Amino acid sequence: NAGVTQTPKFQVLKTGQSMTLQCAQDMNHEYMSWYRQDPGMGLRLIHYSVGAGITDQGEVPNGYNVSRSTTEDFPLRLLSAAPSQTSVYFCASRLLVGHTIYFGEGSWLTVV
Amino acid sequence: AQKITQTQPGMFVQEKEAVTLDCTYDTSDPSYGLFWYKQPSSGEMIFLIYQGSYDQQNATEGRYSLNFQKARKSANLVISASQLGDSAMYFCAMRRGETSGSRLTFGEGTQLTVNP
Repeated sequence: NAGVTQTPKFQVLKTGQSMTLQCAQDMNHEYMSWYRQDPGMGLRLIHYSVGAGITDQGEVPNGYNVSRSTTEDFPLRLLSAAPSQTSVYFCASRLLVGHTIYFGEGSWLTVV
Repeated sequence: AQKITQTQPGMFVQEKEAVTLDCTYDTSDPSYGLFWYKQPSSGEMIFLIYQGSYDQQNATEGRYSLNFQKARKSANLVISASQLGDSAMYFCAMRRGETSGSRLTFGEGTQLTVNP
């Protein structure tokens, strides 16, 4: 059981470049979300999805896009990377029933 | 708006002693869930314990227990018999109701150091 898988684990981008952080879960979870964690802080919600075809904004959505074409995948796109987006990104998922939220291992992104 | 407050940026405890990590929350929702996560230096988020707002008893998971005081809006984590491996950052988090999926509001964390 792979759980929540994030790729890549580490990435360095130049300002203005675009990239996609991948998130996949094999637990048939309806709910998926993306968080960012800045140094010395807790996680903040970027975007979330309650099912395939449905996405919504979280606390800090600016500069990020998401889509949910399948239940398994929830990619996070940075259209034009900025140094302020240097952070650790976590994907999380959960079943409709139950309270346990599963996190991926994190993706360390540096924008120079 | 929801808010989680962890007032202890850092805590120190001797090995084998108990430690309490504080968490207060602010919400107007009648239904919510409270979580504690551990984040070791390797960075992953490890789920420790959950407390639902309607749960009558405090949650326990092994050496972890959650001291839930609803009227005071506090959800402190108690770690009994601390181990060196407990040294990590600990985050308190809250989810609104049952319809918020995996949307959590996090506190800023408490860095726990267990001394031998």
